[in-house]
Amino acid sequence: GAVVSQHPSWVICKSGTSVKIECRSLDFQATTMFWYRQFPKQSLMLMATSNEGSKATYEQGVEKDKFLINHASLTLSTLTVTSAHPEDSSFYICSARSENYGYTFGSGTRLTVV
Amino acid sequence: KNEVEQSPQNLTAQEGEFITINCSYSVGISALHWLQQHPGGGIVSLFMLSSGKKKHGRLIATINIQEKHSSLHITASHPRDSAVYICAAPPPGSTLGRLYFGRGTQLTVWP
Repeated sequence: GAVVSQHPSWVICKSGTSVKIECRSLDFQATTMFWYRQFPKQSLMLMATSNEGSKATYEQGVEKDKFLINHASLTLSTLTVTSAHPEDSSFYICSARSENYGYTFGSGTRLTVV
Repeated sequence: KNEVEQSPQNLTAQEGEFITINCSYSVGISALHWLQQHPGGGIVSLFMLSSGKKKHGRLIATINIQEKHSSLHITASHPRDSAVYICAAPPPGSTLGRLYFGRGTQLTVWP
């Protein structure tokens, strides 16, 4: 079946630094990538939707300059949290959408900003 | 108001019990997804269904489009079934648009 490889699975960074999270679709092409954020005991919250080769569409309230999304190829999308602060600590997860496989989720990245 | 509502929020069962998790939605949809989130956070897609019933191993998902209701059943539950189960649906008129998620049901199965 379809697999989305998400890295890193966890990261601890200092306040003010930037962190890049990668989602790579293995053996299939992801026309669309969804990026979600999840707080403890809460549901997934959509941050942005990215299509290969075009700018990402951000949800209301999500700062596009803080959460940079790049979808340069049909198999790779990245989310960069810039100038991270402790309030950015959360669980981030991507989901690739394809015609053949529907939705495939990454394994998630737990970000802790200290 | 959340477009997708799940119940119960928490569920505890003894190994071997039959489990039912319910999902209702307020808008017309073309398909509904059941997802499983493991303690580590990773999410696995269990089912996508638009009508009737689907079965995979001990898991059974049903949907009633007219009543806007879906259920996920687990037969002969096992401790390894302990996870958060989430129902999700794309917006009306879409099958592959962004998903709206329920809040999830935390299932704990004791040996």
